[in-house]
Amino acid sequence: DADVTQTPRNRITKTGKRIMLECSQTKGHDRMYWYRQDPGLGLRLIYYSFDVKDINKGEISDGYSVSRQAQAKFSLSLESAIPNQTALYFCATSQGSYEQYFGPGTRLTVT
Amino acid sequence: AQSVTQLGSHVSVSEGALVLLRCNYSSSVPPYLFWYVQYPNQGLQLLLKYTSAATLVKGINGFEAEFKKSETSFHLTKPSAHMSDAAEYFCAVIDQAGTALIFGKGTTLSVSS
Repeated sequence: DADVTQTPRNRITKTGKRIMLECSQTKGHDRMYWYRQDPGLGLRLIYYSFDVKDINKGEISDGYSVSRQAQAKFSLSLESAIPNQTALYFCATSQGSYEQYFGPGTRLTVT
Repeated sequence: AQSVTQLGSHVSVSEGALVLLRCNYSSSVPPYLFWYVQYPNQGLQLLLKYTSAATLVKGINGFEAEFKKSETSFHLTKPSAHMSDAAEYFCAVIDQAGTALIFGKGTTLSVSS
């Protein structure tokens, strides 16, 4: 089984809809992250969390919110989706300030 | 502030040829550097990492990278390309606060037979 899982893997939604992307990990890591990937731009950090009570904004947090329901679960929400939020979203985990382990990604399309 | 620049958004090589993917970094503190690979429709997989130990770092699948402080570079190499190496490659550095990765924009490697 994969160490970092993301659901759904693909989602098409309409402008204005609320959507939640979920991430679970079995690695026992304390830190979790959400990134978005756009062609030609690499990955950019949306939010990160060092533990259940510690949530921090990343480079591009506007229009997004997160919830750390447990050490192993970290959800990303788009309160009112817009077309320029169409992207590939990755969840990642790490133990301390070392390498991060990535999930398979969620491809989100907002029409 | 930390930053990463990957030179060349696309690199094409023939099977068996040398692979060289370039990465330059900017960091105000000794950097932790990483190379990740992304195969089509998959997540990112760690290839190798530099964490201030040996300057020549060996990774998976025959890749290696050399940390050169004087040149602020961390270029990725592989002596002989294989068709299965075709993917997108990302260089990354830990940010100054040690909180998250800062990624380059990626280099797509194409391998032709």
